[in-house]
Amino acid sequence: ILNVEQSPQSLHVQEGDSTNFTCSFPSSNFYALHWYRWETAKSPEALFVMTLNGDEKKKGRISATLNTKEGYSYLYIKGSQPEDSATYLCAFLDTNYGGSQGNLIFGKGTKLSVKP
Amino acid sequence: EAQVTQNPRYLITVTGKKLTVTCSQNMNHEYMSWYRQDPGLGLRQIYYSMNVEVTDKGDVPEGYKVSRKEKRNFPLILESPSPNQTSLYFCASRRRPNSYEQYFGPGTRLTVT
Repeated sequence: ILNVEQSPQSLHVQEGDSTNFTCSFPSSNFYALHWYRWETAKSPEALFVMTLNGDEKKKGRISATLNTKEGYSYLYIKGSQPEDSATYLCAFLDTNYGGSQGNLIFGKGTKLSVKP
Repeated sequence: EAQVTQNPRYLITVTGKKLTVTCSQNMNHEYMSWYRQDPGLGLRQIYYSMNVEVTDKGDVPEGYKVSRKEKRNFPLILESPSPNQTSLYFCASRRRPNSYEQYFGPGTRLTVT
């Protein structure tokens, strides 16, 4: 059974703090790694899809890095704002089932709360 | 506007009464799937479809059925709902199975009493 771990489970920061969290996934049979942002009472929205070792992606104040050899990805938020409060999910696609069948394996998420 | 729609958004029903949750996408995506979200368990895939008339089980398929007769629609059927199917359900779609970001519907909150 493939396992995707996210840490920490939750994080409370002050407005203006920079923060980061981790997604760990199996390093073998890697195909792609997705990051999603999930606000309360809404549905998850895609942030990044990363496929190459060493990939770095950026969207505004949010960026992500990928290390497929050691099986981890970091998500960074620079200068957190209250509107960044959400649960951040990562999801792993492997070459065995994901590559052919598209099954994304989701982590349980990191819940970020940003206090004004 | 590109979107995935689900109906109903909220449903309270009784054990054993068949129900269908509809899902539709307007992006001509090949891949569609259903997830359930339960506290502490994360998103788990119920069924997926690679294209029209091609469906298969995900990680938690027991008690559910699906069909994919048209590319845009992927209904989730609970033939005889039970209380352990009380959950938040999401439909999602992607352009291709093995690439691209996933688009989620707004979710259906189902309660089975």
